[in-house]
Order: sequence, then structure tokens, then C-alpha cells
Amino acid sequence: NAGVTQTPKFQVLKTGQSMTLQCAQDMNHNSMYWYRQDPGMGLRLIYYSASEGTTDKGEVPNGYNVSRLNKREFSLRLESAAPSQTSVYFCASSSTGDTEAFFGQGTRLTVV
Amino acid sequence: EDQVTQSPEALRLQEGESSSLNCSYTVSGLRGLFWYRQDPGKGPEFLFTLYSAGEEKEKERLKATLTKKESFLHITAPKPEDSATYLCAVKSGGSYIPTFGRGTSLIVHP
Repeated sequence: NAGVTQTPKFQVLKTGQSMTLQCAQDMNHNSMYWYRQDPGMGLRLIYYSASEGTTDKGEVPNGYNVSRLNKREFSLRLESAAPSQTSVYFCASSSTGDTEAFFGQGTRLTVV
Repeated sequence: EDQVTQSPEALRLQEGESSSLNCSYTVSGLRGLFWYRQDPGKGPEFLFTLYSAGEEKEKERLKATLTKKESFLHITAPKPEDSATYLCAVKSGGSYIPTFGRGTSLIVHP
């Protein structure tokens, strides 16, 4: 019962470096989400994918790109990391747009 | 624009001291209100979904209720293991995007 799996769990990047955060779910869910969580700001949606083949911007998309590789996988890419992107990133999935979301364990990213 | 406000921001209770957390929301056509629990260093864990005013859901010491403007998470006789941050989220209209509140940090002292 893996649920939503995120890799890596921790990452330190230098300003300007790029990286991809991986997310996979094994629940056959249609919708997937990427959030960032910062102290005092709560969870903010970066991008979401309502179904395979579609992606849309959330509240804070600047500096990020996403790929819905297939129904299981939804990756988040930082092309040129900035210190402002230091955060904890969560991937989530839900069966449909109306149902509850299941979250991964998070990726703690530090950009120096 | 959907808005979700949770109060209080932080709550300290003694073990056995019952209390309630509040989630006030403003949406155009509620499609669902969700409660999550988040432990430090972990992702949010789903607790309840409420869909219409008057609905109630229970799980162990937790009970969630819903009105047209707010939801309460009642904690009866809490234990230290109930310490966590509790998040509320709403979905409305035709949007796939849930709006989250900033959470209530609950600490239960033994």
C-alpha cells in the first residue's frame, strides 16, 4: 500500500541549478497536484492535473513546470532554482475532482 | 474567490479537555469540505469529507460538523497523540482546485 510516493525526500540545490521532483501514485487516481508549504502560508497549489494529458496552473506556478507522464506519474521541474523556492513540496492525488486527496511524505528542498 | 479561515491558529489543551476547532469558509457552491491531520515532517492525512449543511462525521475522539458558513472539528477527551496541525480545505463550483486554510496547531499536554 504505497499510496503516493515522492522522491527525493531531501535536496539541497545551489542557485541556478535545476532538478525534477518525482511523484507516483498507485491508486488509479485521475487528479494529481503539486503543493508547496511554507511557514505561515499554508499549502499553496503550484500545478495540478485533472486527468491524464492535462495540466493547469495553480496559485504559484512561476518558476516551475510539470509533466503528467502517464496516469501514475506527475513530475515537478525547477529549471533555475532560486532561494525563494526553498520549501517543502507535497504531491497529492485524488480519484476525481470532488474527492479527498492523498498526500505524499513531502520533499524538503533548500536552495542556497 | 474561495476563502478559508481557520481558528484558532494554535491551541493548547490538557489531556481530557474537550474543545473545538473552527473552519469558516466563503465559496460559491460548496462541493465538499475536507479535514486533514498533519504531523510534523509528514504529509497531510485525510480525516473527513462533508458535503452538505447538517452533515456530521465521527472517528474515535473526533467529530466534524458542517453549516452553510463553517465547519467545526470537535475533539472529545483528547490525548497527547492527538497533537498535530489540523487543516481544512474546500472545493467549490466547477473547480478541481481545493482551497486550504492555514491550519490549527493543536498541542495536548499529558
